[in-house]
Amino acid sequence: KAGVTQTPRYLIKTRGQQVTLSCSPISGHRSVSWYQQTPGQGLQFLFEYFSETQRNKGNFPGRFSGRQFSNSRSEMNVSTLELGDSALYLCASSLVRGTYGYTFGSGTRLTVV
Amino acid sequence: TQLLEQSPQFLSIQEGENLTVYCNSSSVFSSLQWYRQEPGEGPVLLVTVVTGGEVKKLKRLTFQFGDARKDSSLHITAAQPGDTGLYLCAGATGNTPLVFGKGTRLSVIA
Repeated sequence: KAGVTQTPRYLIKTRGQQVTLSCSPISGHRSVSWYQQTPGQGLQFLFEYFSETQRNKGNFPGRFSGRQFSNSRSEMNVSTLELGDSALYLCASSLVRGTYGYTFGSGTRLTVV
Repeated sequence: TQLLEQSPQFLSIQEGENLTVYCNSSSVFSSLQWYRQEPGEGPVLLVTVVTGGEVKKLKRLTFQFGDARKDSSLHITAAQPGDTGLYLCAGATGNTPLVFGKGTRLSVIA
C-alpha cells in the first residue's frame, strides 16, 4: 500500500512569505499529526487531526495553522515566515491515535532565506 | 510537561560491537515506541512496547520497557554499518500527543 506522501519535498522561501505543505496519509488512516524537526530541538509537535477535527495543538505561534479534509488529507500553513522556521516538517498518520505507532512521510525540507 | 531523555546523544562504534541506548522519563507512558531515521527521510517505526517489563526482539535489536513504564532501552548486538542512523524513542499517553526524545545518533564504522 502507498505510504504517507508529503509535498513538496523541498521548498525555499523568503522571510515574510507564506507556505502551504500537504500530506496524504495512508488510505484508511484518519489520524494525522505534524511535527517540526530541527537539529537543536528534535521533533516538536505541531498539530493532531482526527476526522477533520483538531485534537491537539503544540506550543507554536498562531502563524502556524493546519486543517484536515474529509478524505483525511491534511495541510499546514505557515504565514509571515521567519528564518527560524527553517526545518524538516514531518507528517505522520495512524489508523486511530498513535498509541501503537505512526507511519511518517519523508518530510518537507523548508529553507527560509 | 512530559520529557523523554535519551542517552547517549552520539555513539560511534566499530562493526561487531554491542551497544545500548537509553530512554528515561519521570512520566508514565501507555506505550513506548522506537524509530530509526536516516538522513533526508522520516522516522520509521521499529517497535512498540506497551506492557511494563516487556521485552521485544527484532533480529539483533532488543527492546525493553521498564517495569514502571517510565523508561526503555534498545540494545543492538554485533552492530553493522546498516544500523547507522538516528534512533528516536517516543512516549504515548491517552489523549496527549506523542512525545519524542531528541535522539541518539549512531555511527557504525566498518
